[in-house]
Amino acid sequence: DAKTTQPNSMESNEEEPVHLPCNHSTISGTDYIHWYRQLPSQGPEYVIHGLTSNVNNRMASLAIAEDRKSSTLILHRATLRDAAVYYCILRDEYGTYKYIFGTGTRLKVLA
Amino acid sequence: GAVVSQHPSWVICKSGTSVKIECRSLDFQATTMFWYRQFPKQSLMLMATSNEGSKATYEQGVEKDKFLINHASLTLSTLTVTSAHPEDSSFYICSASRNRDEKLFFGSGTQLSVL
Repeated sequence: DAKTTQPNSMESNEEEPVHLPCNHSTISGTDYIHWYRQLPSQGPEYVIHGLTSNVNNRMASLAIAEDRKSSTLILHRATLRDAAVYYCILRDEYGTYKYIFGTGTRLKVLA
Repeated sequence: GAVVSQHPSWVICKSGTSVKIECRSLDFQATTMFWYRQFPKQSLMLMATSNEGSKATYEQGVEKDKFLINHASLTLSTLTVTSAHPEDSSFYICSASRNRDEKLFFGSGTQLSVL
C-alpha cells in the first residue's frame, strides 16, 4: 500500500485559511486521494477525495499537484469545530480496497 | 447521508470475559465492512475486512481466534473480543461503504476497558 506523509501538528487562527499538506511520492495511477478527519472520541468522517483534478465541496477544497506526488487540503475559514486530526489516505480503486490510515495531522485552531 | 451505528459506545468488562461489538449500516447495504482499533494519541489500525457471507480477512499480526468477526447480513457485522485482557483495552471503530467506489462511513466507536 502506498504511504502518505503528513506533519504531526499544525496551528491556525480562527477564521483564517488552513493548508494541510500530504506527501505521497509512491502514489500509483489508480490511487485516489482521500481525506478524513477525526474529532476527539469519535469515528472519522469523510472530508473530500480526488484523483487528478482539484476538488471542492462544502467542507473543503483539495488541491492535487500535477505529478500527484502531493496534495493539500484547504479549509477556507477555520473554525473551532475544525480542530481535529486530519488523515490523508491513498485508496487503490482496483486493488485491495482497504483504507490504511497514516499518522495524520492534529490541527489546533486558536480563538 | 448514510449512517453506521455502532453499539455499545463503551463497555467495561473483567479480564477473561468476551465482549461483542455490533456495527450496523442503518440505511444502506454494506457488502464490506472494516474494523479498526485505536490506542490513545495514535492513528487507526486496520484489523480486518469483513465480507458478507464469507470469512473475514485479517491484517498481519491480528489474532483471528482472539478477534472474531461475523458478517451475517448486508447490514450487520459483529466483532467479538474473546477472553479479553487489559492489553485489549482500546477504541474499536467499524466502517462501511455502499459500494466499492464510494467513501467510507464510520461508526462512533466503542471504548473497551478491560479490568
